Amino acid sequence: GQNIDQPTEMTATEGAIVQINCTYQTSGFNGLFWYQQHAGEAPTFLSYNVLDGLEEKGRFSSFLSRSKGYSYLLLKELQMKDSASYLCAVSPGGSYIPTFGRGTSLIVHP
Amino acid sequence: IAGITQAPTSQILAAGRRMTLRCTQDMRHNAMYWYRQDLGLGLRLIHYSNTAGTTGKGEVPDGYSVSRANTDDFPLTLASAVPSQTSVYFCASSTGAYNEQFFGPGTRLTVL
Repeated sequence: GQNIDQPTEMTATEGAIVQINCTYQTSGFNGLFWYQQHAGEAPTFLSYNVLDGLEEKGRFSSFLSRSKGYSYLLLKELQMKDSASYLCAVSPGGSYIPTFGRGTSLIVHP
Repeated sequence: IAGITQAPTSQILAAGRRMTLRCTQDMRHNAMYWYRQDLGLGLRLIHYSNTAGTTGKGEVPDGYSVSRANTDDFPLTLASAVPSQTSVYFCASSTGAYNEQFFGPGTRLTVL
């Protein structure tokens, strides 16, 4: 089986930095995805990590440690539009189909 | 069509009725997926298809069936709807292994 854990909710201030953690336990590993989902909308792809380390993409960065079963999504210079749910998804060994965590609802306030 | 579309946008259905949710993509993606999303439970995979002509069961397949007659279309059928199938349904596609998924806008289904 698979187990993916993320905090249910986080709050942060506009202009600040926030780190959303994701821990996982899977049978094997074939990559970790982060998606953003605004209320009432579809998820959209943010990042993919398969090797250890940090992947930076503009204001968003994603980190992976395979040995620790741990990833985080780092959002810098927070904007009000970053208020959304952030979904961590892991592809286990032997399958390319990711399993999604329950998501972290991020609220950015002025 | 641009990307991936779903129909209907929303539907209220009487329990026991048959319903087909439609999904069409024009990106020529090999893999397609159906998820349901319920508050507090996240996205759960119902069925998937690696390529036209093949389908597989996901985490919560009971009460649902799919077909993949061609690359573009991946309909999801509820043979006899029950209230527990009230949910938001997302269709997604990807080019294949280890690639990000592109999601449709979703169908909000209410079964009374």
